[in-house]
Amino acid sequence: DADVTQTPRNRITKTGKRIMLECSQTKGHDRMYWYRQDPGLGLRLIYYSFDVKDINKGEISDGYSVSRQAQAKFSLSLESAIPNQTALYFCATSDFIGDLTQETQYFGPGTRLLVL
Amino acid sequence: RKEVEQDPGPFNVPEGATVAFNCTYSNSASQSFFWYRQDCRKEPKLLMSVYSSGNEDGRFTAQLNRASQYISLLIRDSKLSDSATYLCVVNGRLTGGGNKLTFGTGTQLKVEL
Repeated sequence: DADVTQTPRNRITKTGKRIMLECSQTKGHDRMYWYRQDPGLGLRLIYYSFDVKDINKGEISDGYSVSRQAQAKFSLSLESAIPNQTALYFCATSDFIGDLTQETQYFGPGTRLLVL
Repeated sequence: RKEVEQDPGPFNVPEGATVAFNCTYSNSASQSFFWYRQDCRKEPKLLMSVYSSGNEDGRFTAQLNRASQYISLLIRDSKLSDSATYLCVVNGRLTGGGNKLTFGTGTQLKVEL
């Protein structure tokens, strides 16, 4: 079984709809992240969490919200989806133990979201 | 200027060739550097970390030049299975503390028969 899972894997929705993307991990990591990937722009950080109920904005948090109610789960919500939120969304966890040169991020398989 | 810049490619090389990718970063305070590999429509996966002294893992060699703020990845004896996009990744500080990874847009490699 995969260590980091995301649901759904693909989603088509309409402008104005509220949707939630789920991320679960079995790695026991405290740190979790949500990114989006767009062609030509690389991965951009949306939100991150270092512990249960710890929430921090990334570089492109507008239009998104997150929830971290358990160590293993980190959900991303689009309250009112718009077409420019069409992207590939990745959840990641990291095994940070104090040494910045050793941190590795482990990504989920991604969710392809299309907003019409 | 982008925080992390890479040549998008694609680099089309024959099997067995040696290929090198470069990446430049803008934040001189960055402390850690990585190469991730991303296959088409898949998640990124860590390929290797990059240390000041350079490091090698089989056919892959990564080097860091802090003075010029660039990172390189050398792949020797390319295999068809090396075809992927290679992401240069640099750390930066998060306001809440800890490590933020800034990703380049990636360099696409296609290894051909």
